[in-house]
Amino acid sequence: QQQVKQSPQSLIVQKGGISIINCAYENTAFDYFPWYQQFPGKGPALLIAIRPDVSEKKEGRFTISFNKSAKQFSLHIMDSQPGDSATYFCAASTTPGTASKLTFGTGTRLQVTL
Amino acid sequence: DAGVIQSPRHEVTEMGQEVTLRCKPISGHNSLFWYRQTMMRGLELLIYFNNNVPIDDSGMPEDRFSAKMPNASFSTLKIQPSEPRDSAVYFCASGRSGTDTQYFGPGTRLTVL
Repeated sequence: QQQVKQSPQSLIVQKGGISIINCAYENTAFDYFPWYQQFPGKGPALLIAIRPDVSEKKEGRFTISFNKSAKQFSLHIMDSQPGDSATYFCAASTTPGTASKLTFGTGTRLQVTL
Repeated sequence: DAGVIQSPRHEVTEMGQEVTLRCKPISGHNSLFWYRQTMMRGLELLIYFNNNVPIDDSGMPEDRFSAKMPNASFSTLKIQPSEPRDSAVYFCASGRSGTDTQYFGPGTRLTVL
């Protein structure tokens, strides 16, 4: 059963535009929500993460928006650059602080064009 | 820090053969995870260890798969016998209790003919 649903599967954005990737979860016990970025031929790497006690977290051009009541969270990439072209995975965990089990979304392949 | 080390990076084998994938976690990390990535199923957690003890192996597809962690600096994932549907990229990741981040290795691309 898919516990974290991610959309869209793929996304093409022009340089300078805003990229938005959405995730929805079912398990209300989830309380840690990271986003991982994966470049071709590499393993995923943590990009940014949020806990449900805040509704938004920003790090540079990357922002997570979190809606606890709707059980949704999203990644916004402002001023998208060609170097942002990668696959992005949302994830969720029930036991933060233990480097424990993550449930991943299916991934979004982002292409930023010139 | 060297990061998570996986070997081999690529493996091509024939159906029925035994395959062993290896992982060296980051020094000082006490959690280790094995994932499988395919186009169809995305990133799937196969098994994870905490302090060298398997905690959750519910993602291991079947008895053909086994994983061991004999010490804090080494883990193996074995497939015996291998089948074409096992073709995927297998990732190892490690982390440390008290933190949230999992650090992924570069992966092993397995092709079973």
